[in-house]
Parts: sequence; structure tokens; C-alpha cells
Amino acid sequence: DAGVTQSPTHLIKTRGQHVTLRCSPISGHKSVSWYQQVLGQGPQFIFQYYEKEERGRGNFPDRFSARQFPNYSSELNVNALLLGDSALYLCASSLAWASYNEQFFGPGTRLTVL
Amino acid sequence: RKEVEQDPGPFNVPEGATVAFNCTYSNSASQSFFWYRQDCRKEPKLLMSVYSSGNEDGRFTAQLNRASQYISLLIRDSKLSDSATYLCVVTSGTYKYIFGTGTRLKVLA
Repeated sequence: DAGVTQSPTHLIKTRGQHVTLRCSPISGHKSVSWYQQVLGQGPQFIFQYYEKEERGRGNFPDRFSARQFPNYSSELNVNALLLGDSALYLCASSLAWASYNEQFFGPGTRLTVL
Repeated sequence: RKEVEQDPGPFNVPEGATVAFNCTYSNSASQSFFWYRQDCRKEPKLLMSVYSSGNEDGRFTAQLNRASQYISLLIRDSKLSDSATYLCVVTSGTYKYIFGTGTRLKVLA
């Protein structure tokens, strides 16, 4: 069975640009969460979506937005990129939205902002 | 105080050794706990959930101490392939995973 897939794997952008990252969850999973991981730190929660609705949001500015589609795939959008947005962006899928559900991570998108 | 704290290490241990990591958390209302393993420049992979009664999976044992607000991971008979960063996760509220910064383990031949 396919795991969580993310695209693209790597991305280089310049300050001020916009980026869209994509995620497809494990088949049968209805919840997708997004995380940002900078070097030397654990992943930081950005968003969780379940059944196309936002169920949770972390402490990230409004430049970060996301959505979930009817097929449960998801997009993370970041506007007006800053150097500090350079990180590994991880998508995780789970069966449902409650926190006791185990989350399974995709390989991530490594974003570099120059 | 951070919500989830881990000793960053590195823990350098010889093959065959037993090693233990602790992870402390600040929110006494946290309900669910997990250990993930992350290899360099890869995604975190679920190692095990941590139950109130503790749980064991082969060489790995996880424990939860609610009174002192920490979880632990014990690795017995360490293998070279166990070298990785071990991330603990504590849930907050109904949906949020909070990760520690991770503990680096290096198993030496």
C-alpha cells in the first residue's frame, strides 16, 4: 500500500515568492496535518484538516494557509516567503482527527528560501 | 518552560548496550504519547505508542509516568541500525501533536 506522498521533494524560492506544497494521505485516512521542521528541532504543528475542514492551527502567521480536497489530499500555501521559512515541510495522515490517532508522515518537501 | 523537553544528546553507546531516554511534558492534561524515530534528512517514523500500562515491542520498551509527567524509551541490545534521532510526542487538546526536539543516539561498533 502506498504511504503518504508529498510533492515536490525539493524547492528553491526567493524571498517574497509564494509556494504550494501538496500531500496525498494514506488510502482510507481522512485527516491531514502539516508540520514545519527546521534543522535541529522537532516538527512544529501548522494545521490539521479533517473532512475538508480546518480542525486545528498552530502558531504560524496568516501567510500560511491550507486546504483539503474531497479526495482528502491537501495543499499548504505560504505567501511572501521569508528566509526563516526555509525548512522541511512534513505532511502526516491519520484515520481521524482526534489526537490519539497515530500519524504517519510523508517524506517531506525541503524548501529553501534565498 | 517548554511543553515537551528531551535531552538532545548525543548518546554514544556501544553495540549491545542498553540505553534509555526520558521526555518530560508540562501539560498534565495530555492524553496520548508516542515515540518516533527520525533518520538524518528523512521523515519521522512511528516507533510506538505509549500506554498507561507501558508497552514493549521487541527490544523497545516505553513507559509513562503521569505523576512525574514523563515518558521513557528503553532500547536493549542496541544495534548499529538503531542510530537515529528519537522524538517524543505529547498530545495537546483534541488534535495537536507536540514534538520534543529529539535525542540523538549513535551506536558504535
